[in-house]
Amino acid sequence: DQQVKQNSPSLSVQEGRISILNCDYTNSMFDYFLWYKKYPAEGPTFLISISSIKDKNEDGRFTVFLNKSAKHLSLHIVPSQPGDSAVYFCAASAVWGGTSYGKLTFGQGTILTVHP
Amino acid sequence: EAQVTQNPRYLITVTGKKLTVTCSQNMNHEYMSWYRQDPGLGLRQIYYSMNVEVTDKGDVPEGYKVSRKEKRNFPLILESPSPNQTSLYFCASSRQGGSYNEQFFGPGTRLTVL
Repeated sequence: DQQVKQNSPSLSVQEGRISILNCDYTNSMFDYFLWYKKYPAEGPTFLISISSIKDKNEDGRFTVFLNKSAKHLSLHIVPSQPGDSAVYFCAASAVWGGTSYGKLTFGQGTILTVHP
Repeated sequence: EAQVTQNPRYLITVTGKKLTVTCSQNMNHEYMSWYRQDPGLGLRQIYYSMNVEVTDKGDVPEGYKVSRKEKRNFPLILESPSPNQTSLYFCASSRQGGSYNEQFFGPGTRLTVL
């Protein structure tokens, strides 16, 4: 049972345009969401996160939007750059007493390719 | 430099031959986890540990063991590896109550079981 789903295996965009990566979840206990970026032969690195009490979080070119009623979140990258080409994973956690106890549930990942 | 290290980075073995993948972090993090990455399935958590001597099963624990005798180390043990355990493995760590469970990942171990 995939509780976090990224239904687009890949996305291709032109440099300078917007990249939108989507993620859906089914577990209503999730209340914290993260995006990770992964280059080949490296471990995933944290990109941006959002708490369920917010609907938007922005960090430079990266913005994450959360729609709790739809159980949907998205990552926007504006403008996209060739160096953004990587696999992007959505992840979710349920927090009790201020901590998730190290438990994260990941989606399948989306391969983003940004063409010069 | 703050980091999570894993060894070996690459391993080819045969069915049934016990192996251990080591993981170490130098950030004094309480939480550590093991994940496997498979095509089309993303990252799936195998085991996680909240602190020394405290571990719990993740989503796919069958065929794996872990131990947490020291805070910095969290080895993954495959007592009798099988071909379906061929995968890319990642160790991760995070601090207790930490922002929002931002986990730091190691570089990965690619395991092939013949």
